[in-house]
Amino acid sequence: DQQVKQNSPSLSVQEGRISILNCDYTNSMFDYFLWYKKYPAEGPTFLISISSIKDKNEDGRFTVFLNKSAKHLSLHIVPSQPGDSAVYFCAAGGQNDMRFGAGTRLTVKP
Amino acid sequence: DVKVTQSSRYLVKRTGEKVFLECVQDMDHENMFWYRQDPGLGLRLIYFSYDVKMKEKGDIPEGYSVSREKKERFSLILESASTNQTSMYLCASSFAGNYEQYFGPGTRLTVT
Repeated sequence: DQQVKQNSPSLSVQEGRISILNCDYTNSMFDYFLWYKKYPAEGPTFLISISSIKDKNEDGRFTVFLNKSAKHLSLHIVPSQPGDSAVYFCAAGGQNDMRFGAGTRLTVKP
Repeated sequence: DVKVTQSSRYLVKRTGEKVFLECVQDMDHENMFWYRQDPGLGLRLIYFSYDVKMKEKGDIPEGYSVSREKKERFSLILESASTNQTSMYLCASSFAGNYEQYFGPGTRLTVT
């Protein structure tokens, strides 16, 4: 069973607008959450994270929001740029028990 | 700069062959991981290791084994490759106590 779900396989956004990627998880014991970005022919690279004691973490154009009661997190990219086009994976869990979502392919159109 | 390398980018093997996938990291990380990535399923953990000669099963260890004789190297072994093991295999590493994992570029394995 998938404990981390990204229900939107793809998302298309105009350059300069906001991109919102969503992720749901089922295990309330998860204490850390990360977003990874993956370009074709490369491995995923770490983007931003948040611990369960926080509800928001911001890093430049990227903000992650955590809603523990809803077991939901989201990644906001503002403003979106064509170079942000990639597959985004949400991950949740503990240090040696990280579960990944299936990914959302973001396309940012010029 | 952090680096995780995998021995092959593409590999084609026949059913029943023994397959070795090698992963090397140069960051002195304690933890190393093997995942497979399949469409619609995301990354699924096969095995991980938190120290030399130590290994733990992940979610889908059946049909796989691993070896970690040196800290920097973690090998994934398919004892008898089958067509359902056709996939993208990703290696990752991390420091003990750290959640962020660093990934290699992946090996796309096709078993015919």
